[in-house]
Amino acid sequence: LAKTTQPISMDSYEGQEVNITCSHNNIATNDYITWYQQFPSQGPRFIIQGYKTKVTNEVASLFIPADRKSSTLSLPRVSLSDTAVYYCLVGAATGNQFYFGTGTSLTVIP
Amino acid sequence: GAVVSQHPSWVICKSGTSVKIECRSLDFQATTMFWYRQFPKQSLMLMATSNEGSKATYEQGVEKDKFLINHASLTLSTLTVTSAHPEDSSFYICSALTSPLTDTQYFGPGTRLTVL
Repeated sequence: LAKTTQPISMDSYEGQEVNITCSHNNIATNDYITWYQQFPSQGPRFIIQGYKTKVTNEVASLFIPADRKSSTLSLPRVSLSDTAVYYCLVGAATGNQFYFGTGTSLTVIP
Repeated sequence: GAVVSQHPSWVICKSGTSVKIECRSLDFQATTMFWYRQFPKQSLMLMATSNEGSKATYEQGVEKDKFLINHASLTLSTLTVTSAHPEDSSFYICSALTSPLTDTQYFGPGTRLTVL
């Protein structure tokens, strides 16, 4: 089971790009990497998912190096509404083998 | 996008009573749903995996007789907290897999349970 390690918290000013890195040294061959955003008293919201290299969607980019032992979520030009906890989830949900880490609490400062 | 709902969004009950929480996939069929609980300022803890038409699989340390899970259809899973006690007070969240091929879970909005 691939455990994940993320920074506990980060601060950023509005308008800046934020990069949050997740370490997952024991990632298995069939594991995906998925990032979620969670606001207080709400369920997590899907942000992006990848397996290798780089994935980009309308809200974020996900960078995964060749060895897949880490991944970086990149949020371009954050705003105050991006203040939330971000979770990196590694595993294969179809096999019920996945791990929710501690998450990174991002605070965006005006 | 894939939408998952939960009902109720919050519930307050007396100690010793049972509470049922529903989780529905609104625009897709989900053969697999998951149930989590989350304590304040902590991460999500997987409680059990719910598969349509079969018995749920519980994580180590989760009492199956206390947390009854039923996945009777491809769009509905229920979690019943039996004989609830104050220590069961928590935020319960469900998720559903949109496809066995994508490994993407979509989460419900959560249910806040308070046991007095």
